[in-house]
Amino acid sequence: DGGITQSPKYLFRKEGQNVTLSCEQNLNHDAMYWYRQDPGQGLRLIYYSQIVNDFQKGDIAEGYSVSREKKESFPLTVTSAQKNPTAFYLCASSYTINTEAFFGQGTRLTVV
Amino acid sequence: AQSVTQLDSHVSVSEGTPVLLRCNYSSSYSPSLFWYVQHPNKGLQLLLKYTSAATLVKGINGFEAEFKKSETSFHLTKPSAHMSDAAEYFCVVTGGKLIFGQGTELSVKP
Repeated sequence: DGGITQSPKYLFRKEGQNVTLSCEQNLNHDAMYWYRQDPGQGLRLIYYSQIVNDFQKGDIAEGYSVSREKKESFPLTVTSAQKNPTAFYLCASSYTINTEAFFGQGTRLTVV
Repeated sequence: AQSVTQLDSHVSVSEGTPVLLRCNYSSSYSPSLFWYVQHPNKGLQLLLKYTSAATLVKGINGFEAEFKKSETSFHLTKPSAHMSDAAEYFCVVTGGKLIFGQGTELSVKP
């Protein structure tokens, strides 16, 4: 089955710990994205990548880091510098930066 | 710069009545526009897309949207709401990256 897989679905971490969210796609898409969703705030772009080994900051990149070493994978690390990391995180991919995106099922991160 | 505004944060309809979710956009060139739906705690699913072909676009689950350049609008409609349509809907415009509206929550009353 083609698609985007995010794992895990739920993640709990202690405050001060870094945590990495996984995103894998087998759609042969060049572009990949990470969004954060909070109640009543829609989707906010954290990072995006147009091609392997390249990525750009989105609107709320502080406290996050990414890598794009493989076309299929775009992991997101939530660092201890992120002041309010508890949120629903969505990964997406598209053929190019201006085509429709396909979304994973999300990871709900709770920091306690 | 590109932007998108969803004019209603919440819409409530009765089952069997029409649905109208409003979206206005701003773009310095001919944009691509999309509507997505999100059910609680799920990812987003593409409902339909406009990419400069026909201005009336049909999507999944009976939804359609009309691109009106003169009004810079891309409103989403459905003739008859179903309980399963209750969800959050996002209008999206392309502009170097995907630009999302703030979302419209659709409630459907029995």
